[in-house]
Amino acid sequence: KNEVEQSPQNLTAQEGEFITINCSYSVGISALHWLQQHPGGGIVSLFMLSSGKKKHGRLIATINIQEKHSSLHITASHPRDSAVYICAVNGNQFYFGTGTSLTVIP
Amino acid sequence: DAGITQSPRHKVTETGTPVTLRCHQTENHRYMYWYRQDPGHGLRLIHYSYGVKDTDKGEVSDGYSVSRSKTEDFLLTLESATSSQTSVYFCAISEGSLGADTQYFGPGTRLTVL
Repeated sequence: KNEVEQSPQNLTAQEGEFITINCSYSVGISALHWLQQHPGGGIVSLFMLSSGKKKHGRLIATINIQEKHSSLHITASHPRDSAVYICAVNGNQFYFGTGTSLTVIP
Repeated sequence: DAGITQSPRHKVTETGTPVTLRCHQTENHRYMYWYRQDPGHGLRLIHYSYGVKDTDKGEVSDGYSVSRSKTEDFLLTLESATSSQTSVYFCAISEGSLGADTQYFGPGTRLTVL
């Protein structure tokens, strides 16, 4: 049983496309995190949010607590956005999704 | 970038040998974590620390022990390595408690147990 489900698992996009990655969770949470794992393996925290929406550059993260769902949007995608995007939630434990692998083609 | 280093970065060892991985931070953050990452499982918490000499178990703690004798160092020990412990190990730090604050990750250690 996975407390955090991400979709899609894999995503290929053309440069410039608008991208959406989804995260659904089944537990009560106090916060949700979006992480980015680069092809070289390094992991970077993108967002932590508990309500509403946050924006950083071309990245936008939204969360709907009632529906237990979050989305990560990338506007004007670029090949350097190619990475694995990981959703994690802070419930009674810290749960991670298995990630969405994004490839942006020039 | 947060100052987090892990050593070694790569290690190959044999079944039954002890292994210690080191995480070192220069940020003076209170919380430190050890995760393992395996295909199909995502990141899983092994142990974490909320202060010097204060540690607790995570989701997959069996076969692992930890120690934190100084704020800046968090050691992960495999007392007798098994092939199922072949994985990539990440250390992370945060100022606030688990999940309630941004975590900063180290570069990872790739461990292979033959």
